[in-house]
Amino acid sequence: DVKVTQSSRYLVKRTGEKVFLECVQDMDHENMFWYRQDPGLGLRLIYFSYDVKMKEKGDIPEGYSVSREKKERFSLILESASTNQTSMYLCASSFGTPGHEQYFGPGTRLTVT
Amino acid sequence: GQQVMQIPQYQHVQEGEDFTTYCNSSTTLSNIQWYKQRPGGHPVFLIQLVKSGEVKKQKRLTFQFGEAKKNSSLHITATQTTDVGTYFCAAPDYGGSQGNLIFGKGTKLSVKP
Repeated sequence: DVKVTQSSRYLVKRTGEKVFLECVQDMDHENMFWYRQDPGLGLRLIYFSYDVKMKEKGDIPEGYSVSREKKERFSLILESASTNQTSMYLCASSFGTPGHEQYFGPGTRLTVT
Repeated sequence: GQQVMQIPQYQHVQEGEDFTTYCNSSTTLSNIQWYKQRPGGHPVFLIQLVKSGEVKKQKRLTFQFGEAKKNSSLHITATQTTDVGTYFCAAPDYGGSQGNLIFGKGTKLSVKP
């Protein structure tokens, strides 16, 4: 079974802090994704990566950056957390061929106070 | 940009009643995927439809892909409390690359015992 793990299930940070969310997958997937999920807004793509050291902006990249130094690991960084970044963050991975299904991690509920 | 519209946003049913959620696109889709997210959980891939007019069944769940490959539906017969959750459709993002998916906003199903 594909396993996608995220570093924390719950996280509470203060405004202005730098926040790191990590995601690891064990299926040798080429693609990795970061989404945020908010009530009524569905899943919104923040960034994705289709190869090591490669990244592309999604729909809402402002205030976020990412890092992919190894194929199995994809990190989401909030350079200076703000209260409007309080959300559920979901990581996903998939094979590189377009049209493959995505496998999601359990999510990190981030609260910024 | 490319969008996948999903209706209804919410559906409340009595246990034993049927449930249907619909997904529509203005463009022809190469495939469509369905995911289920249980309360407090993460999206889990259910199925992928590829062929025009395709119908697939998983126990009480029936998935259809329209003849024009622009719409899809998920029908649950005789809902049970275990069906509670949010159902998402997703389609490949042609404007993007390398396996991005565009997700519908989901239909949240609640089932009254």
